[in-house]
Amino acid sequence: QVQLVQSGAEVKKPGASVKVSCKASGYTFTSYGISWVRQAPGQGLEWMGWISAYNGNTNYAQKLQGRVTMTTDTSTSTAYMELRSLRSDDTAVYYCARTSKQYYDYWGQGTLVTVSS
Amino acid sequence: QTVVTQEPSFSVSPGGTVTLTCGLSSGSVSTSYYPSWYQQTPGQAPRTLIYSTNTRSSGVPDRFSGSILGNKAALTITGAQADDESDYYCVLYMGSGRWVFGGGTKLTVL
Repeated sequence: QVQLVQSGAEVKKPGASVKVSCKASGYTFTSYGISWVRQAPGQGLEWMGWISAYNGNTNYAQKLQGRVTMTTDTSTSTAYMELRSLRSDDTAVYYCARTSKQYYDYWGQGTLVTVSS
Repeated sequence: QTVVTQEPSFSVSPGGTVTLTCGLSSGSVSTSYYPSWYQQTPGQAPRTLIYSTNTRSSGVPDRFSGSILGNKAALTITGAQADDESDYYCVLYMGSGRWVFGGGTKLTVL
């Protein structure tokens, strides 16, 4: 069965970086993309970006351009999302989602990233 | 900047029918945006309900249905149940690997 298992919760100081992993299993990793979505406390879902696991092509939300990098390691079927220059408003639960053409069909369990001095 | 609009909140009686909508700040939603719908309960990851306007995801009961109504995408729940009380998010595909989420609708069943 398809599973996306994300890394554990992180606490970071403002200005630091965080790298969240998303390990996929149960399907051919390179046949789908991976999107990253975040949710600040009490807020809605926000699209962060997408990466093709086939060729590494990426698209990022304009507001995160320059601070976010999404990568994949096809040898381990793992996707990564790195966010730099963290601010307090980056505190959120970060989700990865398998992306099937135009929609998300499977989701990771979420990773809480807390940014606090 | 593209803004996807959803009703902030809605309520429905048990057994009733409710239609949530998903619009664009400028323009109409069509099947070309491949609207999809996701259900989320507090503390849980989203669950995929509907994709490509009206295709139910595996395991989703047929009381959930998707459509285009006028210039908006719509999610209809027929025969609402208590455990349908959740947040519902619409997502539109903008092409070239880009998506936009709506702000979500908090559905209360009472």
